Amino acid sequence: GAGVSQSPSNKVTEKGKDVELRCDPISGHTALYWYRQRLGQGLEFLIYFQGNSAPDKSGLPSDRFSAERTGESVSTLTIQRTQQEDSAVYLCASSLGARGLVDTQYFGPGTRLTVL
Amino acid sequence: GENVEQHPSTLSVQEGDSAVIKCTYSDSASNYFPWYKQELGKGPQLIIDIRSNVGEKKDQRIAVTLNKTAKHFSLHITETQPEDSAVYFCAASKTSYDKVIFGPGTSLSVIP
Repeated sequence: GAGVSQSPSNKVTEKGKDVELRCDPISGHTALYWYRQRLGQGLEFLIYFQGNSAPDKSGLPSDRFSAERTGESVSTLTIQRTQQEDSAVYLCASSLGARGLVDTQYFGPGTRLTVL
Repeated sequence: GENVEQHPSTLSVQEGDSAVIKCTYSDSASNYFPWYKQELGKGPQLIIDIRSNVGEKKDQRIAVTLNKTAKHFSLHITETQPEDSAVYFCAASKTSYDKVIFGPGTSLSVIP
């Protein structure tokens, strides 16, 4: 079946502009996660959703970052007034989200963001 | 909060040899430990996972071991092949609904 998809695959923007990154999770997955991966580094947790609510926003690096999810499906990560240090690959993952269990996260291919 | 360390950061092995990657975690409540493989330009893919009620798990050439007392877990790849070359991430989480914390990654190169 279809996996997690993300768009765009690449985004180049100028410093100070706003960007929106989109994630389409696997159908039926209620949990959705966003991570940031800087070049040559590990995955940095940003936020996760259970359904349309975000119980853990602890990883968002600043108030320029926000995310929303609608219809327990698509999620968008918005970065306002982008800075050069925002350049990274932004990865989305989804999982079944069964309460009381930790279940496998399936990752999308990522969006490579470059802020000039 | 949970902290996951991973060693080595880079690893080169000859084709056919074994590769071992080791991780430690800090939160004794963690009891789910997945391993992900990330190839260049792609998102991470789960290759194997282990839960705390199990000490070892094998899947063909890949095995994972867990020592809950020492808070260590390891990935073992036997008979390595060039297509095993990638970055490998270990991770830890609790069985209660929680985020997964990743280690910094190990870049494995298998030399033909």
